[in-house]
Amino acid sequence: DIQMTQSPSSLSASVGDRVTITCRASQSITRSLNWYQQRPGTAPNLLIYVASSLRGGVPSRFSGSGFGTDFTLTISSLQPEDFATYYCHQSHSIPYTFGQGTKLEIK
Amino acid sequence: QVQLQESGPGLVKPSETLSLTCTVSGGSISSYYWSWIRQPPGEGLEWITYIYYNGYTNYNPSLKSRVTISVDTSKNQFSLKLSSVTAADTAVYYCARTLDAGYFDLWGRGILVTVSS
Repeated sequence: DIQMTQSPSSLSASVGDRVTITCRASQSITRSLNWYQQRPGTAPNLLIYVASSLRGGVPSRFSGSGFGTDFTLTISSLQPEDFATYYCHQSHSIPYTFGQGTKLEIK
Repeated sequence: QVQLQESGPGLVKPSETLSLTCTVSGGSISSYYWSWIRQPPGEGLEWITYIYYNGYTNYNPSLKSRVTISVDTSKNQFSLKLSSVTAADTAVYYCARTLDAGYFDLWGRGILVTVSS
C-alpha cells in the first residue's frame, strides 16, 4: 500500500493567515493526489483534484501543487469557515489511501 | 443535483454481517464508479471498495475477504456487505461517487454503524 503522511497533524492559525499543509507519498503517485476538507459531523468535501485542479465552487484562496511524492495544499488567507480537518488522498494505486489528517484550529 | 443517501442498520452484533445501501437520486448511476469509505470515530478515512455501474469491482486487500459490493442499476442503488464484524468495524460509513481519476466528488452524509452485542 502507498502510505500518505501529512504534516503537521495539527495547526493553529489566525483569520487572514497563509497556511500550507504538506502531504508526502511513500512512492511516486505522479499527480494522483486529491485534497478534502471535513468539518465536524459532516462528510468530507473535495477541494482539489489531480494535485492542482480546483473544484468548481471552491474559493480561489485554496490551491494545490506537487508531483511525484511531495504535495502541498495552501490557503492564502484563512477565513473562519476554513477551520476544519484536511485530508490528502492518493488515487494512483489500489488500495486508495488517505493521509492521517491535519486539524486546522483557530489561534 | 445528484445526491447520495446511505441506509441500513445502525447497530450490528459481533460476528454478523453489516449491510448498507446507497441510493443515488437526481442522476443516473450509470457511467460512474461508486465507492464505500469508512471513518472510525475520531479517526481518519479508509477506502473499502468501489464498483462500476457495469459490475466491475475493486477492493481494499485488508478487507477483501469480508467485503462484497453490488449494484442495482434499475433501483439506482449500490450496496455493501461486510461479514464477521467486530468492534473494530464500528465507523461512519460513507458512499461516494468516484470519478475516473479516482477522486471522490460527491459524498453521502454518512451512517454510523456500531458493532456491539
